[in-house]
Amino acid sequence: QKEVEQNSGPLSVPEGAIASLNCTYSDRGSQSFFWYRQYSGKSPELIMFIYSNGDKEDGRFTAQLNKASQYVSLLIRDSQPSDSATYLCAVSSNFGNEKLTFGTGTRLTIIP
Amino acid sequence: EADIYQTPRYLVIGTGKKITLECSQTMGHDKMYWYQQDPGMELHLIHYSYGVNSTEKGDLSSESTVSRIRTEHFPLTLESARPSHTSQYLCASSEGSAPIVRSQYFGPGTRLTVL
Repeated sequence: QKEVEQNSGPLSVPEGAIASLNCTYSDRGSQSFFWYRQYSGKSPELIMFIYSNGDKEDGRFTAQLNKASQYVSLLIRDSQPSDSATYLCAVSSNFGNEKLTFGTGTRLTIIP
Repeated sequence: EADIYQTPRYLVIGTGKKITLECSQTMGHDKMYWYQQDPGMELHLIHYSYGVNSTEKGDLSSESTVSRIRTEHFPLTLESARPSHTSQYLCASSEGSAPIVRSQYFGPGTRLTVL
């Protein structure tokens, strides 16, 4: 079992709809969770981070964390064609060594 | 926006050459990281540093070496490049300390091709 799992997609969502991206992790002691967006050929760009259970909203983006079920999700409201990218979930190690483990990413395509 | 720089952005080089990929950040972050990523694949941590004179190998075995003589500078060196080293190399930095791991900010990357 991979430490951080994401559906590789591709996930196709109509423009204006809500895109829902999911991530599960195996390390129950993980404390920090991140979502990165990566356009093809570019480096990852931080979208959201979340440390506590519940929802965290930033503009059109909402991160949701459920530590009991060991999953974190990212919702993108009012999806735009510019949201088409690969979204990477990253989770901190439980060992306090400040390394992140990245998932393989979900490729999202927004259909105009 | 994070201020982290990588040079060169693209490098094509022959087998056996020694190369150094540069990474600098102006944010005063103590922690810096090198990742390797092949197209469409996941990121693999190859080296990291928690501060000056601190370097550790990452999760993916790599023939490269790193140094951290100054806080802002974290170069990666390949003593003898091989075609298997062809990949994208991403440098990142972060602040903060455990148990809360802070966000990592990435540089633009170096795309290396070894012929």
